[in-house]
Amino acid sequence: QQPVQSPQAVILREGEDAVINCSSSKALYSVHWYRQKHGEAPVFLMILLKGGEQKGHEKISASFNEKKQQSSLYLTASQLSYSGTYFCGKAEGSGSRLTFGEGTQLTVNP
Amino acid sequence: ETGVTQTPRHLVMGMTNKKSLKCEQHLGHNAMYWYKQSAKKPLELMFVYNFKEQTENNSVPSRFSPECPNSSHLFLHLHTLQPEDSALYLCASSQAVGLAGNEQFFGPGTRLTVL
Repeated sequence: QQPVQSPQAVILREGEDAVINCSSSKALYSVHWYRQKHGEAPVFLMILLKGGEQKGHEKISASFNEKKQQSSLYLTASQLSYSGTYFCGKAEGSGSRLTFGEGTQLTVNP
Repeated sequence: ETGVTQTPRHLVMGMTNKKSLKCEQHLGHNAMYWYKQSAKKPLELMFVYNFKEQTENNSVPSRFSPECPNSSHLFLHLHTLQPEDSALYLCASSQAVGLAGNEQFFGPGTRLTVL
């Protein structure tokens, strides 16, 4: 069953912050975050493994709450280059397939 | 060439045609994947190969036939497709299936239109 992402879309002004959530109805082993710009391949951002870890990548960071079966992606001081569709993919075990959410379309305006 | 490449980038075919999509990875990975991305839908996993062996077929219709001759190359053979098969087909690779932190690297995709 696919994870549920929220919000579906968000529009920001440059410099604003955003949070994208990814929830699962089943226990998670790992959560993967990707960004895809229009007409391009999805680009890997980060993986979070079970254990409640938090990771950072420039001004983009993410957390993983096993108990709540969810992950959140934090974008701070957004830049125009952050625009794109953000996907979370979940795995329920170490050898499990990735199941992706529907994506969150992020638009950053000047 | 670096990363994951796919050819062709665009393909238009009739329902009676036979065509093939090609994917090549230059990352030394052992796992390769085919995904389908349709408008307004999540990425759908189609097939997984690990060390050239197919480990997953996600109930894909037989008009799609994958082939993995070695760990660097993956093909998707298409025949008698339907208009609803029109989509972006993405190839990805990763170090191997079953590893923790198994990040996948995607190719640019083939935009397929079935008339």
